[in-house]
Formats: sequence, C-alpha cells, structure tokens
Amino acid sequence: GAVVSQHPSRVICKSGTSVKIECRSLDFQATTMFWYRQFPKQSLMLMATSNEGSKATYEQGVEKDKFLINHASLTLSTLTVTSAHPEDSSFYICSARNPYEQYFGPGTRLTVT
Amino acid sequence: AQSVTQLGSHVSVSEGALVLLRCNYSSSVPPYLFWYVQYPNQGLQLLLKYTTGATLVKGINGFEAEFKKSETSFHLTKPSAHMSDAAEYFCAVSDQGGRRALTFGSGTRLQVQP
Repeated sequence: GAVVSQHPSRVICKSGTSVKIECRSLDFQATTMFWYRQFPKQSLMLMATSNEGSKATYEQGVEKDKFLINHASLTLSTLTVTSAHPEDSSFYICSARNPYEQYFGPGTRLTVT
Repeated sequence: AQSVTQLGSHVSVSEGALVLLRCNYSSSVPPYLFWYVQYPNQGLQLLLKYTTGATLVKGINGFEAEFKKSETSFHLTKPSAHMSDAAEYFCAVSDQGGRRALTFGSGTRLQVQP
C-alpha cells in the first residue's frame, strides 16, 4: 500500500521556539493532505486541509498564524508550530489522499517545555 | 455534517472471548466507514473499511464489521480476542469518495485479560 512518512517522529522544544513537521507521500502524489491533532487519551481532531499550490483551510478554532501549513509539492506538506507553548504539546498526524484513499503517517510527538 | 459515536470508552474481554466494539454514525450522504487501531505512541493502522457493495467487511487480524444502514451502525467484531489486540480503536466516517477528511469517534480502549 501507499506510504506516508512524517519527520521528525518526536521533538522536544523550548517554549517560544518554532517547530516544523514534514509529511511526505513516498510513492504517490497527494493533491490533498490533512493535519490532525491528538491530545493524550483523546481522539483525532482535524486541524486543517492542505491542497497543493493553494492556501490551507483551517478548522474553526485553529489559529492559522500559529499553525502554518505549506503544501509546496504533490508529495510534501509541512506544519510549522510557531512560538510553541506547552499547551501545543500533542501528537500530530498527517494523512495524504490519492484519488482512492487516505493514508496516515506515523505521527509526530511534540513536547514543549 | 457527519458524526461518529463509539459506545463504551473502555471494553474489557478475556482472551479467547468475542470482541464487539460499537460504532454508530450520522451522515447526510452515503458514507465511507473505517475502523483504525492505534497502539501506544504509534500512528493509525487501517483495520478495514466499507465503501460500497457487500455490507460485511473483513479486515486484518481476524476483524470484521457489518454496515447496517437501517441502524446507522458499523460495529467491529472478532470471534476470539488475543492479547495483542489490546489497543485503542477508532471508528471514522468520510463522505462518499473520501474527498474530505475523516471524522473520528472518541475511541474505545480494548483490554484483553489473560
């Protein structure tokens, strides 16, 4: 099946710094990628939809200036958490869609100290 | 709008017993339905999905689910639980064609007792 990778798998950063998370579709082109966030012991919540070559669409309550999404190519989307704070600590999961199905990445554990 | 309700945040079964995880959905269009499993600190693994056609769907690791339109349900079952089945299970719904993001249920943690 299709493979989606995320990098890094886990990252620890200090409060106030920015962190970039990459999501790559390794063997297919993804016109659409989705970013989800999962807090401990909770379900996945959609943050934003990323379309190649256009601005991301953010869900209500998600700050677009804090969570910057760039979908520069058909195989790469990046999520940058700007001026991270401890409450941003979470598990971030991306998914990439081809015409037939969505495929999930393994997730990135962000811890902000 | 779509939504998913998973009844029971925790389910405990004995090894070898039947596993039944419940999922009900609401959708204004014919849905695509999914079950995913998540092990601690890992991503999601697709167990099975229903798109169209046969309503009884067989997945990996011996799991299966039946789409019942009249009951708006998509319950997950496995005849005999194994210790390795202990994990978090998520039911999800998407619009037909999967063009949009998935909407997830709140999850059910399955414990398997020896």
